[in-house]
Amino acid sequence: KQEVTQIPAALSVPEGENLVLNCSFTDSAIYNLQWFRQDPGKGLTSLLLIQSSQREQTSGRLNASLDKSSGRSTLYIAASQPGDSATYLCAVNTDKLIFGTGTRLQVFP
Amino acid sequence: GAVVSQHPSRVICKSGTSVKIECRSLDFQATTMFWYRQFPKQSLMLMATSNEGSKATYEQGVEKDKFLINHASLTLSTLTVTSAHPEDSSFYICSARVVGINEQYFGPGTRLTVT
Repeated sequence: KQEVTQIPAALSVPEGENLVLNCSFTDSAIYNLQWFRQDPGKGLTSLLLIQSSQREQTSGRLNASLDKSSGRSTLYIAASQPGDSATYLCAVNTDKLIFGTGTRLQVFP
Repeated sequence: GAVVSQHPSRVICKSGTSVKIECRSLDFQATTMFWYRQFPKQSLMLMATSNEGSKATYEQGVEKDKFLINHASLTLSTLTVTSAHPEDSSFYICSARVVGINEQYFGPGTRLTVT
């Protein structure tokens, strides 16, 4: 059974710091992995999708890497801003999406 | 492109009544739709997968007679919570997938409160 874990569960940092969020999964047989952002009481915003054949994807200040063999993905956020405050979810796609436990990020001015 | 809507965004109903939530793909045809539930400060849990024109496949522990799913067209799936109870209060999110593309597009979610 696929299990997805995210570390840390919560993170509070001052503005400007570079951050690394971690996602690990137990079964490497995935089609792709996706990172989402969720603001309180809102739906999901897709940030990055990495196909199983890819090693990383970049969008603006965000960079996501994937090491399928070790069952790990990281989301790197450069120069964090208060507007980055949200819950970040990773999800692995094995024909259906299995979501991680989430990391609640707070960036303070 | 790839926009998914949900209606209503919020609904309050009394215990014992039924409530229907709609999920629509606005600019594409979705052969498969998914329904998720999210409790406060928890992650999303897949409830069921529905394919157009066939019965939904429910995840273990999800009561199919309580959560009725209908996927009657390539752009619409509905989730009906029957005989709702306060413990059914949750955030329900749908997603849609196009055949041959392994990516899901998510709706904005529906907040259900059962009093």
